[in-house]
Amino acid sequence: DAGVTQSPTHLIKTRGQQVTLRCSPISGHKSVSWYQQVLGQGPQFIFQYYEKEERGRGNFPDRFSARQFPNYSSELNVNALLLGDSALYLCASSRGTTETQYFGPGTRLLVL
Amino acid sequence: EDKVVQSPLSLVVHEGDTVTLNCSYEVTNFRSLLWYKQEKKAPTFLFMLTSSGIEKKSGRLSSILDNKELFSILNITATQTGDSAVYLCAGESTNAGKSTFGDGTTLTVKP
Repeated sequence: DAGVTQSPTHLIKTRGQQVTLRCSPISGHKSVSWYQQVLGQGPQFIFQYYEKEERGRGNFPDRFSARQFPNYSSELNVNALLLGDSALYLCASSRGTTETQYFGPGTRLLVL
Repeated sequence: EDKVVQSPLSLVVHEGDTVTLNCSYEVTNFRSLLWYKQEKKAPTFLFMLTSSGIEKKSGRLSSILDNKELFSILNITATQTGDSAVYLCAGESTNAGKSTFGDGTTLTVKP
């Protein structure tokens, strides 16, 4: 079975721009979570979606938003990019909201 | 606010050594403790611990949880250069499946 896939793998943006990151979960998984991992730190929880509904949100500003589609894939949007948004963005999928999460390879975002 | 603290931050050993990585946690509505190995990008799942005092084992890796003292350890015996990675510990809450991660322990195994 294919694992969690994310696109793009790398992205360079400038301050103030907007970015959309994409994630396809493992087949059969209905839950998708997003994490931000700044260099040298552990992943920080941003959102969890299940059955197209937001089930959890971390301490991130409203510039961060996400959605989940009927096929359970998900997009993370970040508006008005700041230099501090530069990070590895990880997507993780699970069968349900309380089951083991499996991570994708991530999207590395650099904001200049 | 939920918190997970790992120690040491980094560790350098030689092949064949045994290492112990530590993780302490404060997680509201705690459900489970997870260990991941992160080499380049995606963290890969190692263990999920939910019951105190029961050791989980996979090859040279083992882990145990103490949910009274709120900590877990990950042991790696007979280390190999391929064990070099960042090891992440995460506490899971029953609240919306949110995982709170520590900052990881960077393990370097020298030949």
